[in-house]
Amino acid sequence: EVQLVESGGDLVQPGGSLRLSCAVSGFTFSDYEFNWVRQAPGKGLEWVSYISSRGSTIYYADSVKGRFTISRDKDSLYLQMNSLRADDTAVYYCAREAPAVTRFDQWGQGTLVTVSS
Amino acid sequence: DNQMTQSPSSLSASVGDRVSITCRTSQSIGTYLSWYQQKPGKAPKLLIYSASSLQSGVPSRFSGSGSGTDFTLTISSLQPEDFATYYCQQSYTTRTFGQGTKVEVK
Repeated sequence: EVQLVESGGDLVQPGGSLRLSCAVSGFTFSDYEFNWVRQAPGKGLEWVSYISSRGSTIYYADSVKGRFTISRDKDSLYLQMNSLRADDTAVYYCAREAPAVTRFDQWGQGTLVTVSS
Repeated sequence: DNQMTQSPSSLSASVGDRVSITCRTSQSIGTYLSWYQQKPGKAPKLLIYSASSLQSGVPSRFSGSGSGTDFTLTISSLQPEDFATYYCQQSYTTRTFGQGTKVEVK
């Protein structure tokens, strides 16, 4: 069974840092690309970052560029979040992307990040 | 950035209705367009990819069409389990989601 399980969400003060993880199982991790997508309370989906299957290509949304870093290792995806702001408060999802077809075909359950003093 | 405009932002419909949601992009994206369904408290679910391909396991009442800058998601006969929020997403230049369309009970 394909599974993506996010962890690391927490309450953090503005200006703080947090590292999210997404552990995968049920498929060959290195065959796929991955994304982080977030959803602020009561709002729509916002794409955050993408990493290619080998990690050689990385993209960021303008809203997080210079503050967030995506990475991957073994069977896990990561999102290092620095200089956190109140508007980073959201549920963060990891999403698997099938190469060439570019569809987000599997999603984790999400992890909540709250930035507040 | 490739801006995406999804419309309407919400609609009211009854079971059995035919429902259409449109997505327009500011730049041509070929068919690099997917549609997702999201229910409250749940992760999004892929419905359509490559503009018109039905994801495995998704009912055939869902269909997608379009290419270039204009796309449509159609639900041919709305079922009770289809009341949800729908998002389009492009993967031609980085990735972007539309603002969402909430389908509510009339």
